[in-house]
Amino acid sequence: NAGVMQNPRHLVRRRGQEARLRCSPMKGHSHVYWYRQLPEEGLKFMVYLQKENIIDESGMPKERFSAEFPKEGPSILRIQQVVRGDSAAYFCASSPPGQRYDTQYFGPGTRLTVL
Amino acid sequence: AQSVAQPEDQVNVAEGNPLTVKCTYSVSGNPYLFWYVQYPNRGLQFLLKYITGDNLVKGSYGFEAEFNKSQTSFHLKKPSALVSDSALYFCAVRGLGTNAGKSTFGDGTTLTVKP
Repeated sequence: NAGVMQNPRHLVRRRGQEARLRCSPMKGHSHVYWYRQLPEEGLKFMVYLQKENIIDESGMPKERFSAEFPKEGPSILRIQQVVRGDSAAYFCASSPPGQRYDTQYFGPGTRLTVL
Repeated sequence: AQSVAQPEDQVNVAEGNPLTVKCTYSVSGNPYLFWYVQYPNRGLQFLLKYITGDNLVKGSYGFEAEFNKSQTSFHLKKPSALVSDSALYFCAVRGLGTNAGKSTFGDGTTLTVKP
């Protein structure tokens, strides 16, 4: 059973470009979470999604950031017009349906560098 | 609001000695508590969790954690440390209601085990 997959693992963008980060949850998991880890800091919650629904986006910046989890395909975290402060590791986690308190299993992360 | 504190940025122990990594939490209602380990440039690996039941929880790689409700603590322990345990450790809490989906992480504790 493959774990949570994220791609790309490393992404370099220039200021003003768009970054698209993809996350495929573990097989059978229908809950997806995105977290951001700034250098030397812990993980900060961004958004919680189920298929075709955003459940909690209280951690998402109000502008330039969006997330989706379509019926088919991976979850996408999209950052428009990136700035240097967006440089961070972005982690996706997934958990199975039914129990919102189940363990979240993390992917290897996408390390975004904005030049 | 829920929060987690890991009061020590760094813990150093000698191989073979017991180790403790501290964590305290604040949450409304019953907490769901987790420990994760992160190796350099990797995602988070789940170690153990407390949902309910026995206060002493056993997890992966010989780690255990003790839930103490009166002290709102969930310290991670291991009787005999290995050099390979050197990594970054995160404590996380998930609460109820609107906070149920997201995990709130501490800032992490770097564990160094010296031969």
